[in-house]
Amino acid sequence: AQSVTQLDSHVSVSEGTPVLLRCNYSSSYSPSLFWYVQHPNKGLQLLLKYTSAATLVKGINGFEAEFKKSETSFHLTKPSAHMSDAAEYFCVVSPLSGGSYIPTFGRGTSLIVHP
Amino acid sequence: EPEVTQTPSHQVTQMGQEVILRCVPISNHLYFYWYRQILGQKVEFLVSFYNNEISEKSEIFDDQFSVERPDGSNFTLKIRSTKLEDSAMYFCASSAGVPLAGSTDTQYFGPGTRLTVL
Repeated sequence: AQSVTQLDSHVSVSEGTPVLLRCNYSSSYSPSLFWYVQHPNKGLQLLLKYTSAATLVKGINGFEAEFKKSETSFHLTKPSAHMSDAAEYFCVVSPLSGGSYIPTFGRGTSLIVHP
Repeated sequence: EPEVTQTPSHQVTQMGQEVILRCVPISNHLYFYWYRQILGQKVEFLVSFYNNEISEKSEIFDDQFSVERPDGSNFTLKIRSTKLEDSAMYFCASSAGVPLAGSTDTQYFGPGTRLTVL
C-alpha cells in the first residue's frame, strides 16, 4: 500500500521569497517520487523525480526536492518565488518494484505568489 | 516541444449516454495512460496501455470503461452509460517507457477533458 500527504492545501508567498511545499509518503516498496505542476487549463508537467542515486533532486525552473527516508518526506523548495510559479503542485509516489507502476497522487498544494 | 493533445476540452452529456474521450499521444511514445480528477479531489490513475493491451488498471476502471488505440495516433477512453459521479477532468498521458525512478522516461500529460454529466 502507498499513500501521499501534502500537508498544505494552500501556500502563499511573496515574490522573491523562498517556497516550501511539503509532502510525506508511505510505501510498502522502495518508492519512486515525483513532483508535478499544473498551471490553469494546462496539463500536468513534471518538475522533478527521485532516483535512488541522489537524495537531493534538481528540477526545472529552479525547483529542487530532498528525499529523506527517515522522515518519509519529499518536500519541494525554491529559493526565490516568481509570479509565474503560481500554480497547483502535486506530489506523486509509485512503487519502484513489485511489478506495478500504479501511482498515487497527493491532493495538491495551491501556490499563491503575491507581488 | 511535442505535446499530448486531448479533444474535446469540455464534454457535456446526459446521464446514461456513452462518451468517447480522445487523446493524441506523443508520436514515438509506447505507453499510454488515463487519469481522472473529480473536482476538489485527488488525481486518480485509471489505466495504462502498452502494445495494444491494458498493462494495469485501478479499481475505478470497471466494465463501464474501455480503452482503445484505433489507429496509429489516437488513444481513446470510452465511458458507457455515464453516471453523475463520472463528472471529472480526464487526463491522458504518454511516455516512451515506464517512468520509474531509474528510468529517464517521463510521462507527458495532456491538458485534460472536462466531462460534465447532467
